[in-house]
Amino acid sequence: DTAVSQTPKYLVTQMGNDKSIKCEQNLGHDTMYWYKQDSKKFLKIMFSYNNKELIINETVPNRFSPKSPDKAHLNLHINSLELGDSAVYFCASSQLSGGVSAFFGQGTRLTVV
Amino acid sequence: ELKVEQNPLFLSMQEGKNYTIYCNYSTTSDRLYWYRQDPGKSLESLFVLLSNGAVKQEGRLMASLDTKARLSTLHITAAVHDLSATYFCAVSSNTGNQFYFGTGTSLTVIP
Repeated sequence: DTAVSQTPKYLVTQMGNDKSIKCEQNLGHDTMYWYKQDSKKFLKIMFSYNNKELIINETVPNRFSPKSPDKAHLNLHINSLELGDSAVYFCASSQLSGGVSAFFGQGTRLTVV
Repeated sequence: ELKVEQNPLFLSMQEGKNYTIYCNYSTTSDRLYWYRQDPGKSLESLFVLLSNGAVKQEGRLMASLDTKARLSTLHITAAVHDLSATYFCAVSSNTGNQFYFGTGTSLTVIP
């Protein structure tokens, strides 16, 4: 039983394509996140959703569009992929005000060629 | 924006030795988390520290939090090779709606 699962694990695609990454959590958490980890391992938050509502939208190109159909799912759609989008994308979930650690998915390694 | 700094960024240590990783953060928060990441893997939660003076220990790792100094430490005792990984600290905003991560400390334990 994976707590936070994201698919696919690997994604190789050409510049200009559109792709999606899916994320689901079965922990009953009310908050989900997308993080980007670059080649130097820096982790930067991209989006934060609480009960399907967007609450954090960091400086991210509008080619990135998150969608939360319900509080257990947070998908990430990326349009017109660029070389600089290559990174590992992590989905995570936590409980907003419970001092609960964030649980992370396995990551999606995106390579744009 | 809340800033979180770790040092050192890279740490190479011999088995059996002790060392401390430091995590400083820029604004008031009393929620501090430590994570471990193995190469090519996800982040695994190690410790959750929720108050000033909190101390947690698991095996050879001990984490502490000083909210007045805005400092957390991760102390490694008698390191073993299995502890080789990247360690991240993270601070959550007071509203809890995001986690700010430190730069990470890449630890290599040499036999």
